[in-house]
Amino acid sequence: GQQLNQSPQSMFIQEGEDVSMNCTSSSIFNTWLWYKQEPGEGPVLLIALYKAGELTSNGRLTAQFGITRKDSFLNISASIPSDVGIYFCAGPKYQTGANNLFFGTGTRLTVIP
Amino acid sequence: GAGVSQSPSNKVTEKGKDVELRCDPISGHTALYWYRQRLGQGLEFLIYFQGNSAPDKSGLPSDRFSAERTGESVSTLTIQRTQQEDSAVYLCASSLWDSPENTIYFGEGSWLTVV
Repeated sequence: GQQLNQSPQSMFIQEGEDVSMNCTSSSIFNTWLWYKQEPGEGPVLLIALYKAGELTSNGRLTAQFGITRKDSFLNISASIPSDVGIYFCAGPKYQTGANNLFFGTGTRLTVIP
Repeated sequence: GAGVSQSPSNKVTEKGKDVELRCDPISGHTALYWYRQRLGQGLEFLIYFQGNSAPDKSGLPSDRFSAERTGESVSTLTIQRTQQEDSAVYLCASSLWDSPENTIYFGEGSWLTVV
């Protein structure tokens, strides 16, 4: 079945540093989504990617949809303490793009002030 | 409220007891999802409801798990004869049918602890 693997599993960084994390799949996705989950909360969408090669920014966040459609990365520039949380990649469960999502294993980010 | 609402927010139950978790989706959202998240792990799909279509139950881990939805409103996830491995956060989400994948909204989850 479809699997989404994220790396690294966890990161400890100093405030102000840049962060890079990625997500790889065993099969092709037509859409890539990046979510952030803060403690005690549900995931919240950060960025959505719809085309291979697409590079999209949202403030200090930048994400890219890999050319092979089997990977994506998320970068966070100039990290701040509120960036702390778990970052998940996600893609639709079915190739038709139905709303049901597979989620990656998550990257846990800790920012040290 | 404006968001997806889940109850209870926390539940501690004894092994072997049944539990019911409730989800109130955003008004007008025809699609509703249940996910499970074990401590420190990713989200595991459980079940998906879309309008009046037959639900996608392919993620339910065993026949102890079941879910119902009344029309396009409230859903309940029932776990019978709970086991310790059922301890997790159960997240509900909803979306509009004709929206792209990026408009799935999550509730804050129901934390279940089986002792």
